[in-house]
Amino acid sequence: DQQVKQNSPSLSVQEGRISILNCDYTNSMFDYFLWYKKYPAEGPTFLISISSIKDKNEDGRFTVFLNKSAKHLSLHIVPSQPGDSAVYFCAARDTTSGTYKYIFGTGTRLKVLA
Amino acid sequence: KAGVTQTPRYLIKTRGQQVTLSCSPISGHRSVSWYQQTPGQGLQFLFEYFSETQRNKGNFPGRFSGRQFSNSRSEMNVSTLELGDSALYLCASSSFNGNTIYFGEGSWLTVV
Repeated sequence: DQQVKQNSPSLSVQEGRISILNCDYTNSMFDYFLWYKKYPAEGPTFLISISSIKDKNEDGRFTVFLNKSAKHLSLHIVPSQPGDSAVYFCAARDTTSGTYKYIFGTGTRLKVLA
Repeated sequence: KAGVTQTPRYLIKTRGQQVTLSCSPISGHRSVSWYQQTPGQGLQFLFEYFSETQRNKGNFPGRFSGRQFSNSRSEMNVSTLELGDSALYLCASSSFNGNTIYFGEGSWLTVV
């Protein structure tokens, strides 16, 4: 039972254009959401996060949007650069057990074409 | 400030053997969690430790175990290795009320 879903396994975008990566979740009790970027043979690197009490957070070229009613979040990268080519994971924090547990999606491979 | 350090980075084991992986968290971080990454499966949560106590556990068989030491360093052990255990094992750490977890480079395990 996948509680965090990234339905697009891959995405190709032209350099300079916008990349939009999507993530859906099922548990309305998730209180914090994060995006990570992963290059091959490296660990995931934290990119940006958003609290469930907000609907938008921006950091440079990266913006995360949260739609709680739809249980959907998205990561926008503008403008996209070839160095952004990587696998992107979204994650949700589950505190229903009284402790923190992070649940990850299966990732979306972004390819930015020069 | 040093990041999360995992050792070894790469290892090859034979079916039936056991393996121990080590993780040193970011200084001051007391929570350590472990994840398994296999192609197409994303990051699967294994377990999480805080102050030497396992607080959360994922849906993995009992062959997968872990522990945390008083200095917050953590180890995970996989016994009776199977071919399907071949994966990237990632360790992450966070502070007590930290909203973000930070990953190490991972340990690549190949079971032959």
